[in-house]
This record gives sequence, structure tokens and C-alpha cells, in this order.
Amino acid sequence: DGGITQSPKYLFRKEGQNVTLSCEQNLNHDAMYWYRQDPGQGLRLIYYSQIVNDFQKGDIAEGYSVSREKKESFPLTVTSAQKNPTAFYLCASSTGGYTEAFFGQGTRLTVV
Amino acid sequence: GQQLNQSPQSMFIQEGEDVSMNCTSSSIFNTWLWYKQEPGEGPVLLIALYKAGELTSNGRLTAQFGITRKDSFLNISASIPSDVGIYFCAGQKGNTPLVFGKGTRLSVIA
Repeated sequence: DGGITQSPKYLFRKEGQNVTLSCEQNLNHDAMYWYRQDPGQGLRLIYYSQIVNDFQKGDIAEGYSVSREKKESFPLTVTSAQKNPTAFYLCASSTGGYTEAFFGQGTRLTVV
Repeated sequence: GQQLNQSPQSMFIQEGEDVSMNCTSSSIFNTWLWYKQEPGEGPVLLIALYKAGELTSNGRLTAQFGITRKDSFLNISASIPSDVGIYFCAGQKGNTPLVFGKGTRLSVIA
């Protein structure tokens, strides 16, 4: 059953700690994305990757880091430099060409 | 980064009514997509539009790609309670990732 799996669904961390969000896809998609969602703000692009070992910053990359060592995986690290990390994080993937992105179920990160 | 102008921001409608929402941009887009998001879940793709003037239906949903390529609309006919959620438009141009609107929150009153 193909799809995108994000884990965990809920994540709590103390302020100042780095945290890594997992995203795995078995759709054989080349491109993967991370979006942040805040109430009333829509979806804002954090990072994206078209191919393995390559990725680009999106609109709000500051305080975040990613890696793309495998085609199936695109983990996102929220670092202590991110000033307001509490949000709903969405991972997506698509075939080449950036169209028709398919989303995972999201990870809600709460920093206390 | 650019975001699309999506309106209305929220809607409260009676069950059975038709719904219309739209998305505009100052830029030309090659592709328009419409997604629905339910609480605590990721967005799900409803309709994809690839050609200016294209009109596409998916059940009670109909979407159109504006002729100017700067806008798109989504209509839902005969709304039902399970239509509740946030509807997002998304556009794509050139060799860049999708850009999203801020969403239209739909509430259906039975």
C-alpha cells in the first residue's frame, strides 16, 4: 500500500533541544518537501529536494535542516535556532516536475 | 515567498447549499491544484488543472483553470456534513515547487 509516512504523529520537546521528524515514502517519487502549517497561515515551504543528496531552501528555512541520503527518506531537524518551532509539519512527495504533491498525515510538534 | 490570494477565508453554509471559493494571483501559473484538509490530517488532492480554461469535475466538485492563468475556482454542489474542512488552492509555475493559498475553512450546518 503506497504512501507517505510521517512519524511520530505528536512530538513534545523542551525548548533548546533539537528534534528530528521522520518522513518516508514508497511511491518512488523523486521530489520531497517539508511544509510548516500555522493557523491561518496556509502551508509554507521549508525545504525541498528533487534528487538524492541534493536539496534547496524554501521560504522559511532558517532554524531547520534536512538530509536526503535515500530516495525514500527526507528527515527534517528542527534546531534550537528556530525561534517558534511549535507548529504542524507536513511532508509531501511528487514525481519530477513539482506537480501533484501527495502529503503525509503530519507531525504536530509542541515545544515547551 | 509568494502566496496565493484565496477567498473567502471561511464559510458557514446550510447542508444542501452550493459553495464557491476562488484563488487569484498576480503571476501566471501552469498548474492549479485544489486540496482538502480535515482536522489533524494532511491535505488530500481533489482536482488538478493543467490547461487554461480547463473545467474538471470530481463528483460534486467542479474546478476551473482561469483563462488568464492567474486564477482558479472550486465549486461544491449540494454540500453535505462531510464536506467540512479546509480547502487549499495551490499553483505551480516554471521549475518551482507548489505555492499554496491560506485556505478556505468550510463549515456545514445540518
